[in-house]
Parts: sequence; C-alpha cells; structure tokens
Amino acid sequence: QQQVKQSPQSLIVQKGGISIINCAYENTAFDYFPWYQQFPGKGPALLIAIRPDVSEKKEGRFTISFNKSAKQFSLHIMDSQPGDSATYFCAASSGGSQGNLIFGKGTKLSVKP
Amino acid sequence: DTAVSQTPKYLVTQMGNDKSIKCEQNLGHDTMYWYKQDSKKFLKIMFSYNNKELIINETVPNRFSPKSPDKAHLNLHINSLELGDSAVYFCASNPAGGREQYFGPGTRLTVT
Repeated sequence: QQQVKQSPQSLIVQKGGISIINCAYENTAFDYFPWYQQFPGKGPALLIAIRPDVSEKKEGRFTISFNKSAKQFSLHIMDSQPGDSATYFCAASSGGSQGNLIFGKGTKLSVKP
Repeated sequence: DTAVSQTPKYLVTQMGNDKSIKCEQNLGHDTMYWYKQDSKKFLKIMFSYNNKELIINETVPNRFSPKSPDKAHLNLHINSLELGDSAVYFCASNPAGGREQYFGPGTRLTVT
C-alpha cells in the first residue's frame, strides 16, 4: 500500500513558468513533510519542508502548500529555470527525529529554455 | 568537508558473492539510515540506527545485515547477492531532535 502518492510522474515546463507537483498521504500520524531534489548521479537533497500546523511555507522560488483536511501537499516552483531540471520527491514521516521517510514515487521535471 | 560519504561509489559483482558498502557521517548526527532506490527511482527505507542501536528494520531479506561500529558509521553487508539486489543504495543521517535527513552520494550496485 503506497502511503504517499505523487503526481505527475513527469512534467515539462517552459523557462519562467510555474512547476506544480502534488502529493497525497493516507497516514494521519505523519507530521513532517519534506521535498527532496535529486540530480542524476547524486543523492537526494532536502529542498524545503513543512509541518501540519502551517498551510504554506516559502523559501525563495519554492513554496509548499499544505491542506491538512484533504491530506494533500504540493510544491510550487516559481520562475522555473533549466537548472531546476531534476527529479523531485515528496516524503512524509512520523515518529520524531527517528522516524524514517516514506517517499512518493518522484516527478521528473524538465524546464525547457 | 562535512558530509555523508559512502564507499564505493560503484560496485559490480557476480551473483552469489558477498559485498559491503560503507557509510560515514561527520555531522555529529545520532541517527543513520539505509535506503534503496530501484531502477524506477523509488526510494524505500531499509534500516535505521540510533546511536549504534537498530530502530527500524523494514521487510528486507536477512541476507542484508547492517552494522554500526560507532554512531558515525553505518555499514551494509549483503550476502549471496542476487540480480534483484541491483539498485542504488543511499545512506542518510539526521541530528538528534531534528527531522532533516542528509543523504550520501549513493552506491550503485550492479549484480551480474
């Protein structure tokens, strides 16, 4: 049973456009929702994270929107750049600092110049 | 450099062999993890250790045995390698009280 569902599987956006990736979760015990960015041949790198007590978090061009009642969260990348082309993973965890991450299946983003 | 490091980066071996992957973090973190990323890029937790003690052991064949000699190191030993073990294995760590997990560069294991 997949606990974190991510869509779309792939996304093509023009430079300067907005990239939107969506995730939905099932386990209401999850209390930490990070997004990771992975370039080919590299490990995932933490991009931005949110906890369920806030509905939005913004860091530069990256924004997480969180809807607790719908059990959904999304990543918005404003002014998308070719350098943003990567695979993005949403994740969720519970259990504090010793909780493992449950990942979505990833979204491959391509930003066309 | 402060980071999570893994060795080797690439590992090619034959079915039936035994191999180990090493992970070290110099971030002073207490908790370390092993994740497996399959050919479709799906990331799945395998094990986690906190201060050398096993916390999480997901449904992983017992051919996989993690070992943590100290809280800065978490190694993964794999016995009797199978074709299906081919994947990229990532080590990660996070600090005590923190949720942010930092990933290593990965070890690409190919079993032929």
